[in-house]
Amino acid sequence: GAVVSQHPSWVICKSGTSVKIECRSLDFQATTMFWYRQFPKQSLMLMATSNEGSKATYEQGVEKDKFLINHASLTLSTLTVTSAHPEDSSFYICSASLDRTPGNEQFFGPGTRLTVL
Amino acid sequence: AQTVTQSQPEMSVQEAETVTLSCTYDTSESNYYLFWYKQPPSRQMILVIRQEAYKQQNATENRFSVNFQKAAKSFSLKISDSQLGDTAMYFCAFMKVQGAQKLVFGQGTRLTINP
Repeated sequence: GAVVSQHPSWVICKSGTSVKIECRSLDFQATTMFWYRQFPKQSLMLMATSNEGSKATYEQGVEKDKFLINHASLTLSTLTVTSAHPEDSSFYICSASLDRTPGNEQFFGPGTRLTVL
Repeated sequence: AQTVTQSQPEMSVQEAETVTLSCTYDTSESNYYLFWYKQPPSRQMILVIRQEAYKQQNATENRFSVNFQKAAKSFSLKISDSQLGDTAMYFCAFMKVQGAQKLVFGQGTRLTINP
């Protein structure tokens, strides 16, 4: 099956610093990538949808300047949490879709645990 | 907006038993997709089964099957002959056909299979 990786798997940073999380589709080209946030014992909440070469589409309530998304190639999307604060601590998960076929399966990365001190 | 509701926060059964997880959803769309995803302790999301709303036949994948009731907006997952490896969080999810391929997830059901 299609494989999606995330790096790093776990990151600890100080409040006020920025953190970049990478999401890569290893064996396929992803036209669309998605970024989710998952708080402990809660569900996944979609933060944004990114298409290669275009600006990301953010969900309502997600700060664009806080969570910068770049989808520079068909295999790489990055999420940068700028000026991180303790309330940004969460589990961040990306997923990738092969194409825009309706109902197409999304392949998920293993997630990145962010802890902001 | 679409909403997905899983009313069972936790369930626990013995190995080899059959268990059914409930999911209801609300939408004004006539065509859409429904999914069940599994998230084991590793936190890796895994697709369990997918149902296309325009298909009346219930989807099955080995020990996993769904009971899709479109009029009732219900989409339950049945796991037969449960195994220890089935222990995980299970999320029901909805996706519209039109527009972006956004998944809307339910709150999840934590399923524990006991030996």
